[in-house]
Amino acid sequence: DGGITQSPKYLFRKEGQNVTLSCEQNLNHDAMYWYRQDPGQGLRLIYYSQIVNDFQKGDIAEGYSVSREKKESFPLTVTSAQKNPTAFYLCASSPHPSSYNEQFFGPGTRLTVL
Amino acid sequence: ILNVEQSPQSLHVQEGDSTNFTCSFPSSNFYALHWYRWETAKSPEALFVMTLNGDEKKKGRISATLNTKEGYSYLYIKGSQPEDSATYLCASLTGTASKLTFGTGTRLQVTL
Repeated sequence: DGGITQSPKYLFRKEGQNVTLSCEQNLNHDAMYWYRQDPGQGLRLIYYSQIVNDFQKGDIAEGYSVSREKKESFPLTVTSAQKNPTAFYLCASSPHPSSYNEQFFGPGTRLTVL
Repeated sequence: ILNVEQSPQSLHVQEGDSTNFTCSFPSSNFYALHWYRWETAKSPEALFVMTLNGDEKKKGRISATLNTKEGYSYLYIKGSQPEDSATYLCASLTGTASKLTFGTGTRLQVTL
């Protein structure tokens, strides 16, 4: 089955620890995205990548880092510098880095900082 | 309008009712408007991607219209069914960046 997978579904972390969220796609899509959802807010873009070995900051990149070493994978690291990391994180991909392409979303990871 | 705004925030209708909700977005430098449906415990799924002023798209009982000059889009659901219960998100791209700005969504609940 083609699609996007995110792991884990739930993640707990102690304050001050870095944590990496996984996102993998087998759709052969060029573009990948990380969003964050908080109660009462729309999805906010953290980072996006239009092609392998390239990525750009989104609207709320502070305290996060990403890599895009392989087309299929776009892991997101939540660092200890992120002041309010507890949230629901969604990964998405699209065939090409264009707004005309719909985005395909993974199931999400809910991160809780204890 | 600087951000993408959706109204109402939530909606509760009876099975068989028709309903509609609104997405407002910046009209300058418009590129595209996306609609997604997000059911509980599932991933958001695309409904429509619209680019042209006056465009109207339909998928089954769901349709959408687009007015890029005044910066709004309507989503219509005809004869709502319980399986239509979901949060409906719209997102627009304006300007030169290849990224979407999402609204906060309209949460629809359809009861028997």
